[in-house]
Amino acid sequence: GQQVMQIPQYQHVQEGEDFTTYCNSSTTLSNIQWYKQRPGGHPVFLIQLVKSGEVKKQKRLTFQFGEAKKNSSLHITATQTTDVGTYFCAGKGGTSYGKLTFGQGTILTVHP
Amino acid sequence: SQTIHQWPATLVQPVGSPLSLECTVEGTSNPNLYWYRQAAGRGLQLLFYSVGIGQISSEVPQNLSASRPQDRQFILSSKKLLLSDSGFYLCAWSVMGGSKNIQYFGAGTRLSVL
Repeated sequence: GQQVMQIPQYQHVQEGEDFTTYCNSSTTLSNIQWYKQRPGGHPVFLIQLVKSGEVKKQKRLTFQFGEAKKNSSLHITATQTTDVGTYFCAGKGGTSYGKLTFGQGTILTVHP
Repeated sequence: SQTIHQWPATLVQPVGSPLSLECTVEGTSNPNLYWYRQAAGRGLQLLFYSVGIGQISSEVPQNLSASRPQDRQFILSSKKLLLSDSGFYLCAWSVMGGSKNIQYFGAGTRLSVL
């Protein structure tokens, strides 16, 4: 079945440093989504990428979808303490109805 | 606007006891519904999903079952809980047949089986 690998599992940064998490799928995806889960909370949708090579920005967050539609990345510039949480990528295959395959997540800790 | 309700927020149950977690969605019709489990510090494991009333697909063989008695109601059950059933249970919904398939999660239930 479809697998989505996400690295790193943990990332500790000083406030102000940049952060990147990477996502790689075993199969070509029709789209990829990113979610953020704050400590003690539930996952919240951030963004969806659909097109090959697509790049989207949300303030300090930059999301990329690979040309082959099998990998993606999330980059945060100048992290803040409010960025703390777990970031998940989730891929949708071509015939998976509404199902998403989630990566294992990257737990981000930001030290002030 | 759409909302998803999940309860209870926290639950402590003895081994061997039954379980019933309920999830309801408001403000949308015919949604896809999902149950996930998340172990501490880990990723999301899809347990069940449903594309319609009475239609349940199981992703992982286990001690749990799911039912969808109404369009916007999704229930997760167990007849006898095991220690390994402890975790954070999340219900989610997405638009039926939509191209975006964005999933909206409930606040979750933290289950401790002792």
